[in-house]
This record gives sequence, structure tokens and C-alpha cells, in this order.
Amino acid sequence: DVKVTQSSRYLVKRTGEKVFLECVQDMDHENMFWYRQDPGLGLRLIYFSYDVKMKEKGDIPEGYSVSREKKERFSLILESASTNQTSMYLCASSLRGDYGYTFGSGTRLTVV
Amino acid sequence: QKEVEQNSGPLSVPEGAIASLNCTYSDRGSQSFFWYRQYSGKSPELIMFIYSNGDKEDGRFTAQLNKASQYVSLLIRDSQPSDSATYLCAVTFSGGYNKLIFGAGTRLAVHP
Repeated sequence: DVKVTQSSRYLVKRTGEKVFLECVQDMDHENMFWYRQDPGLGLRLIYFSYDVKMKEKGDIPEGYSVSREKKERFSLILESASTNQTSMYLCASSLRGDYGYTFGSGTRLTVV
Repeated sequence: QKEVEQNSGPLSVPEGAIASLNCTYSDRGSQSFFWYRQYSGKSPELIMFIYSNGDKEDGRFTAQLNKASQYVSLLIRDSQPSDSATYLCAVTFSGGYNKLIFGAGTRLAVHP
């Protein structure tokens, strides 16, 4: 089974901090994605990547950046955390879109 | 804007009944369709996928696809309290082969 591992299950950070969320997949998938999920708003795509060192903006990239230096790892960076970035963050990977995604267990981030 | 629409629910059904979850999508070029189940506080897990018009059965789950009507549904037979979760419909975006568009989800409650 594909495993997508997110480094932290729960995280509490202070306003203005730089925050790194890490995601690693073990099945050589080309595609990786970062979403945030908020009640009533569903899954919103922040950034995605089709290949190493390649990234594309999703629907809500403002305040975020990403890094993909190795195929298996996709990092989400909050440059200066704000309280409106308090959310559940989900990483996903896929071999191809028509195979569906596998999600990590999620990181619940609270910014205080 | 490519969209996937679902009733937010909650859809309440008695134990043992058939639960019917519906989803419509706007992108006529979509080719692959997925249903994810998400328990409260957990990440989505893939439970069904369908590519062709008609029905696809897997155990108690049946996915139904009608591309002409741009409609996909999920039937859960003999519903159990453990089926209580939010069900997300996801559709491939024809303009980006590897990207899925998610609906906001339907909350299903199965009561004993």
C-alpha cells in the first residue's frame, strides 16, 4: 500500500513564525498535492507538483510556498503564520490523476 | 470554474437501509470519478472509483455514472452505523490530467 506520511499530527505555532509542514510518500509517485480543509469550505488546493523542483499554484496559494527537492518529499511553508491559517492540512500523492489520490493522515495546525 | 456539487446533508438513514449519495459535475471532459470516505478528524480514504457509464459494485457499495447527465452517485446497501462519515465526490479535471476537483462532501448519519 502507498503510504503518505505527514510529519506532525498536531502543531501549535505563534503568529509570525515560519512553519514547515513535511510530507513524504514511499511509492515513487510523480504528483503531490497540498490541501487545507475547513468546515463548510471543503478541500481547497494550495499547491501541487508534477515533478521534482516543479510546482504550480492551486486555488489559494497566498501566504504559502512549497519545496520539492526530492521526488518523495513535498514541503509546505507558511512564510509568516497568521491566525487565519489555522486549519487541517492534508498532503496527497498520486501516480496519475485517474488512479485517484492517497492522502496522508493530516496535520491540524493552530496559529495563536 | 470547474465545479463538483454535493448536498451537504446530513443524510440520515436507519441501520439496514440503502443510503444514496449524489454528485453532479460541470466539466464535460471529466473521465474518472472517485468516492472518498472521511471520518471526523481523519483524512479521506478512497472507497470507489468508476470510469465508464453504468454501475460498478464492490461489496455493499455501488457507484453509478451517467456522463450524459454529468451525474455520479454512490449507493450503500445495508447501511451500518460505522458508515456514518462524510463522503466526498472527486472528478478529474480535463484541463489538468493529474488534478482532481473535490465536492464539499455529504455527511451521512446511520442511526440504529
